[in-house]
Amino acid sequence: DTGVSQNPRHKITKRGQNVTFRCDPISEHNRLYWYRQTLGQGPEFLTYFQNEAQLEKSRLLSDRFSAERPKGSFSTLEIQRTEQGDSAMYLCASSFPGTGYGYTFGSGTRLTVV
Amino acid sequence: SQQGEEDPQALSIQEGENATMNCSYKTSINNLQWYRQNSGRGLVHLILIRSNEREKHSGRLRVTLDTSKKSSSLLITASRAADTASYFCATDPGGTGGGNKLTFGTGTQLKVEL
Repeated sequence: DTGVSQNPRHKITKRGQNVTFRCDPISEHNRLYWYRQTLGQGPEFLTYFQNEAQLEKSRLLSDRFSAERPKGSFSTLEIQRTEQGDSAMYLCASSFPGTGYGYTFGSGTRLTVV
Repeated sequence: SQQGEEDPQALSIQEGENATMNCSYKTSINNLQWYRQNSGRGLVHLILIRSNEREKHSGRLRVTLDTSKKSSSLLITASRAADTASYFCATDPGGTGGGNKLTFGTGTQLKVEL
């Protein structure tokens, strides 16, 4: 296992288009998190899964955002009808709570909406 | 929303000097973690300190935690140019309600010059 993998690394899309990002977590980790980070800020929580169940969604996650984790493995984050304000780095992380090792983050997907 | 604030926002030092970053937070925690982020990349977990611990060491890193003041500090000793990065503290409320969902601070940008 080589860590958390995110695809694509970069995405440029026109306003109004839909985009989908994928995250492959560390296979032993049962928790998967999505965060969004804008320039000069810390990551902001969007949503998280325990296995296949989505347990919490941030108020930041408008109805244009949806996330899934079928079968408790990889996860996808879809943004519909993108807006310029959606431009950010989208980070995925996985963890196994109680181990004391914190989160393992992927390299992120940088979204630019033009 | 950001739970913590790091201080200073930016820090520039010479190689070989020590770097100290501070983090303040607002709510009770189960543990506090520090992460490093190189420009345009994902975050890397550095160290985790539990609420019943006061100090922890890992290599050139030393973390302190004062839960009465809701503050933590990260000390990097004998800094190297490769330590140039942004550093974030993150708080974990713990428990089933918190979901081990991390809330990140605003970050300190550290620049280590040769």
